[in-house]
Amino acid sequence: SQKIEQNSEALNIQEGKTATLTCNYTNYSPAYLQWYRQDPGRGPVFLLLIRENEKEKRKERLKVTFDTTLKQSLFHITASQPADSATYLCALVGTEGSYIPTFGRGTSLIVHP
Amino acid sequence: DADVTQTPRNRITKTGKRIMLECSQTKGHDRMYWYRQDPGLGLRLIYYSFDVKDINKGEISDGYSVSRQAQAKFSLSLESAIPNQTALYFCATSDVGTNTEAFFGQGTRLTVV
Repeated sequence: SQKIEQNSEALNIQEGKTATLTCNYTNYSPAYLQWYRQDPGRGPVFLLLIRENEKEKRKERLKVTFDTTLKQSLFHITASQPADSATYLCALVGTEGSYIPTFGRGTSLIVHP
Repeated sequence: DADVTQTPRNRITKTGKRIMLECSQTKGHDRMYWYRQDPGLGLRLIYYSFDVKDINKGEISDGYSVSRQAQAKFSLSLESAIPNQTALYFCATSDVGTNTEAFFGQGTRLTVV
């Protein structure tokens, strides 16, 4: 069965540093991978999408990489701010799931001032 | 107004009661989803609908039913609520296609006592 792994432990970093979150998957060949942000008690909000034939995607302070050989995506937030503190979810989308997002458990990011 | 609206936002109900969670969207999308989120387990798909006449079971459909009353409305019912259905429930919608994001509602926090 499909498995999506995100680090269950919270990531604590200092303001101004780069945060790097990992998403690993098995038994899946996604057409693309999405990253969402979720604040406590609220619904996830879409941030970025990267396709299987793309290596890297950037949006402002966000950067996503996608390695289909390693079956891994890395999500980077540069110059992190306390306002970036949230849970970040990766989601796989592909034919196996009828193009419905299948989510990982998320990683909590805490940025300390 | 929010693109995806869920009602109620919070609900406490007793074991054995029937309860309906409602979702409406203004995005004009055909695809709608119900997810459940539990601490440590992430988002899990309960049911999904690709259009008004299409209803499909997701990963954890037992104990739940849905109704797609219109393109914009998708409701989730718990026929006889049980305590382990206590969770945060999210409705989401996305456009047809292979690379579009999911838009989530604010969530319904359901407690079954």
